[in-house]
Amino acid sequence: GQQVMQIPQYQHVQEGEDFTTYCNSSTTLSNIQWYKQRPGGHPVFLIQLVKSGEVKKQKRLTFQFGEAKKNSSLHITATQTTDVGTYFCAGYSGGYQKVTFGTGTKLQVIP
Amino acid sequence: DTEVTQTPKHLVMGMTNKKSLKCEQHMGHRAMYWYKQKAKKPPELMFVYSYEKLSINESVPSRFSPECPNSSLLNLHLHALQPEDSALYLCASSPAGEGDTQYFGPGTRLTVL
Repeated sequence: GQQVMQIPQYQHVQEGEDFTTYCNSSTTLSNIQWYKQRPGGHPVFLIQLVKSGEVKKQKRLTFQFGEAKKNSSLHITATQTTDVGTYFCAGYSGGYQKVTFGTGTKLQVIP
Repeated sequence: DTEVTQTPKHLVMGMTNKKSLKCEQHMGHRAMYWYKQKAKKPPELMFVYSYEKLSINESVPSRFSPECPNSSLLNLHLHALQPEDSALYLCASSPAGEGDTQYFGPGTRLTVL
């Protein structure tokens, strides 16, 4: 079946440092979504990428979708303590007709 | 109304009990989902309802029984659960279908004794 892996599993950064998480799918995706889950909370939608090579920005967050539509990345510039949480990518494949969540990257920001 | 609500927030039940989880959305979304999430793991898809019909069942044991009474409501009926079923149960909805953005509810924290 479809597998979506993320690296790293955990990341500790000093406040103000940058952070990147990478997402890789075993199959070509129709789209990829990113979600953030705060400790004790539920996943909250951040963004959806659809086109090959697409890049989208939300303030300090930059999202990329790979040319082959099998990988994606989320980059946070100058992390803040409010960025703490687990970031999940979620890939949708038309062939499987369902969204598969990645394994997640837990971000800890040290003030 | 732009949120998904879930009740109860917490549930403790014995292995012989029957209970139900409830999920509600009033955003006119056409797809609704049940996920199970264990600690430090990603959400794991259980069921998808599209236009009030069950479209995906991820080989979930029959002790979990979903129900979609109408386009705004989604229930998950629980019977004869096992302690390993203890987890956070998340409901989500999306405007169109399975590949669309998902809006999650706060979840029900289930403990099976």
